[in-house]
Amino acid sequence: DAGVIQSPRHEVTEMGQEVTLRCKPISGHDYLFWYRQTMMRGLELLIYFNNNVPIDDSGMPEDRFSAKMPNASFSTLKIQPSEPRDSAVYFCASTLGPRQNTGELFFGEGSRLTVL
Amino acid sequence: GQSLEQPSEVTAVEGAIVQINCTYQTSGFYGLSWYQQHDGGAPTFLSYNALDGLEETGRFSSFLSRSDSYGYLLLQELQMKDSASYFCAPPNRDDKIIFGKGTRLHILP
Repeated sequence: DAGVIQSPRHEVTEMGQEVTLRCKPISGHDYLFWYRQTMMRGLELLIYFNNNVPIDDSGMPEDRFSAKMPNASFSTLKIQPSEPRDSAVYFCASTLGPRQNTGELFFGEGSRLTVL
Repeated sequence: GQSLEQPSEVTAVEGAIVQINCTYQTSGFYGLSWYQQHDGGAPTFLSYNALDGLEETGRFSSFLSRSDSYGYLLLQELQMKDSASYFCAPPNRDDKIIFGKGTRLHILP
């Protein structure tokens, strides 16, 4: 398996533009997590899905952020409109189950977003 | 709610031993995981403790005390490549996995 695949790896956009980040989890993994990482706030959980259903989106900063998982092999995180404070690295991660065996999370390479 | 506490930075000398502590508060605790992240990279899994005690994996060991809501990662025979950030992460009964700001490990030659 190729691992968790995220795109784009880098995105530079202007304030007010829509940003869409994409993630393909590892095949067979039932859980998908979206995290945001900044120096100030560390690695924050935004939302996670189980079997394509959002379980907890309490970490989504505000209504400008939305996430979907239309099927088991694809998820998107959308920011509309984007603001400079959204600049961060966004990670997607998948796992068979946090309480199964070691519950290992497999992370994608991340999408580095810069909003000017 | 959930909360994690780790030191923000730790400095050690190459070849030495270093311990990174983690105290946590989470509902429905199941175990404690540790991840490593190099600058510019993604976090990668290091270890998991489901039970109290010490788990050893090569130069790295991880310890858990459920009664104290405490764990630590022990790195032995430190190498320059161990310079990275280290995160503890406890999954809870709702399968929610939180991290935090992690501990940045600096290794001096």
